[in-house]
Amino acid sequence: ETGVTQSPTHLIKTRGQQVTLRCSSQSGHNTVSWYQQALGQGPQFIFQYYREEENGRGNFPPRFSGLQFPNYSSELNVNALELDDSALYLCASSSTGSTGTAEAFFGQGTRLTVV
Amino acid sequence: AQSVTQLDSQVPVFEEAPVELRCNYSSSVSVYLFWYVQYPNQGLQLLLKYLSGSTLVKGINGFEAEFNKSQTSFHLRKPSVHISDTAEYFCAVTRSGGYQKVTFGTGTKLQVIP
Repeated sequence: ETGVTQSPTHLIKTRGQQVTLRCSSQSGHNTVSWYQQALGQGPQFIFQYYREEENGRGNFPPRFSGLQFPNYSSELNVNALELDDSALYLCASSSTGSTGTAEAFFGQGTRLTVV
Repeated sequence: AQSVTQLDSQVPVFEEAPVELRCNYSSSVSVYLFWYVQYPNQGLQLLLKYLSGSTLVKGINGFEAEFNKSQTSFHLRKPSVHISDTAEYFCAVTRSGGYQKVTFGTGTKLQVIP
C-alpha cells in the first residue's frame, strides 16, 4: 500500500465528453506525475506538477490538462475524449527537494473506457 | 532523451526455476534505472532501483538486477521463482538527479508454470 489514492477506479465516458480524474498524494510528498498506460503498453508520461505548477510534459495534446492543489492532491482533465484515450491512468507521488526528486510511488490507477 | 527496450514480451518459466528478464536502455546522460512489477488490475510497485554505487542491486521478493554501463543493460534476475511472481514487469529509466519524466519499457509478462 503506497498511500497514493486515485478516484474513481473505473469510468466509462462517451467520445467527445470531458473527464476529471483525481489523485491524493502520499503524506509529505509535494510532486505528482500522471501517466497513461494503454492496453499492452508501458506507462507514458503525461505531465508532472510541483508546487502547483506544471513541471514537465510528455507528448500529449493540450486537451490533457492538470491541476495541483495546495494540499498537493491533483486532477487530470481530458477534454474532447477520443476512443484512443481509453487506458489506465496512473498517478505517481514523490518528494522534490534540493537534491532532486526522490522515488515515486504509484496509485492503483483509474481505468477509463471511452465508447 | 532516454529509451528502454525490453527484449522479451513474454517469459514462461517453471516454478522454482531461475529467471532473467532483459532490459537495455539508451541515454546520452547519466541515468537512474528501475524495475516495477504490475499485478492484474493494479498500479505499479517498485521492485528495485539503481541510482549510483554498487552495480548489483537487490530488491524486494528476492529479485536483483545488475547495472552494466558498457552494455547499457539492467537485467532482472531471480534464482527461484514462485507462482506469485506471475505478473508484468517494467524496466524504466530517468535522467539522474530527477524524477521529472520516467520512461518505461513495453513490459515483460512473466508466467510461472506450476
